[in-house]
Amino acid sequence: DAMVIQNPRYQVTQFGKPVTLSCSQTLNHNVMYWYQQKSSQAPKLLFHYYDKDFNNEADTPDNFQSRRPNTSFCFLDIRSPGLGDAAMYLCATSGVRDMTAQPQHFGDGTRLSIL
Amino acid sequence: AQSVTQLDSHVSVSEGTPVLLRCNYSSSYSPSLFWYVQHPNKGLQLLLKYTSAATLVKGINGFEAEFKKSETSFHLTKPSAHMSDAAEYFCVVSDPNSGGYQKVTFGTGTKLQVIP
Repeated sequence: DAMVIQNPRYQVTQFGKPVTLSCSQTLNHNVMYWYQQKSSQAPKLLFHYYDKDFNNEADTPDNFQSRRPNTSFCFLDIRSPGLGDAAMYLCATSGVRDMTAQPQHFGDGTRLSIL
Repeated sequence: AQSVTQLDSHVSVSEGTPVLLRCNYSSSYSPSLFWYVQHPNKGLQLLLKYTSAATLVKGINGFEAEFKKSETSFHLTKPSAHMSDAAEYFCVVSDPNSGGYQKVTFGTGTKLQVIP
């Protein structure tokens, strides 16, 4: 089945040690999103790609970066994780072939823990 | 600007009884509205969507929602709760004029508990 796949499902890193989370999709969607979701909260958009065009949310910390080497893959890099970055990170995609609203398709997330 | 208010942070129902999860929205445009479900340690799964066609929208797993413009509401219902419905539910509004991608606003979520 076409889907959004996130690896790993669980990631443990040390305070200040860089970490990379990955997302791949087989939907051939133009747009890929990264969300941060803390416990019992709604997902918070960090940034998104529209094809290769990177769009950062105004309040996303500089500590968070992203790369999209091709249509299928997108990576979230956290340069120096702090304890406050422990969260579930969700990747999502959406298609834009027409302008009617299309829902976002989510992966199962990566739960990041900071030691 | 758009916003979403989920009126209940927690809802508890007995198995086999109806479910009602309430959502009110505010949008400057004709909105698209979605309900997503999230089970523990999983991503969000689309239940249903409203995109200005029929106002009564049927989704997966027996859920449906009715778009009421006069009340700016999009409440989620199910006639009979099942244990597997226990999860968190998010109401989401999408701004259709955000330049080709779906900038969405999430509600704060409603945790549904189903009592055997």
